[in-house]
Amino acid sequence: GNSVTQMEGPVTLSEEAFLTINCTYTATGYPSLFWYVQYPGEGLQLLLKATKADDKGSNKGFEATYRKETTSFHLEKGSVQVSDSAVYFCALSWAGGTSYGKLTFGQGTILTVHP
Amino acid sequence: DVKVTQSSRYLVKRTGEKVFLECVQDMDHENMFWYRQDPGLGLRLIYFSYDVKMKEKGDIPEGYSVSREKKERFSLILESASTNQTSMYLCASSFRLAGVYEQYFGPGTRLTVT
Repeated sequence: GNSVTQMEGPVTLSEEAFLTINCTYTATGYPSLFWYVQYPGEGLQLLLKATKADDKGSNKGFEATYRKETTSFHLEKGSVQVSDSAVYFCALSWAGGTSYGKLTFGQGTILTVHP
Repeated sequence: DVKVTQSSRYLVKRTGEKVFLECVQDMDHENMFWYRQDPGLGLRLIYFSYDVKMKEKGDIPEGYSVSREKKERFSLILESASTNQTSMYLCASSFRLAGVYEQYFGPGTRLTVT
């Protein structure tokens, strides 16, 4: 079956540091890949997505590239801010008609950024 | 803006009580989902619905049921709450755009069963 594995957290960084959160997946075929972010006390928000190999999703300074050869979708940001402190989830889904967009999530990575 | 609302942000119930969690979306989405979120486990799918009165089990349906009588509303029911159902419950709805489904989440309900 499908699965998503994220790097273990929590991750603690100083402001303006470089961020990488690793995500690898197991799936047959060509899933769509997503990063969701959950700020304290809130639900999940879609951060970025990629739908085919070599696609790069980007939003709010975050980027992730769909790497089929390594089955990875690592999240990066060049310079983090205190406001980026949140929980980040990697997820995959199928576009197939009977999938209805069901998501398979990684376990989440807690990011804390200090001033 | 897509809006998914959940009836309560925090709920405290006793073991054995019947619990209803309500979710409403205002964007006419076909698909709706219930997940539970637990530390270290990410989000796990309980049930989803792809049309009114249609439902399918997710990965962890035991101890839960659902109801979807209207397109905009999807209810999660705990028939007899137990302490191991203490968790954060997240509702979502989705639509398909250019072949890709996007899910939108509500703020969550933190349920404590004592």
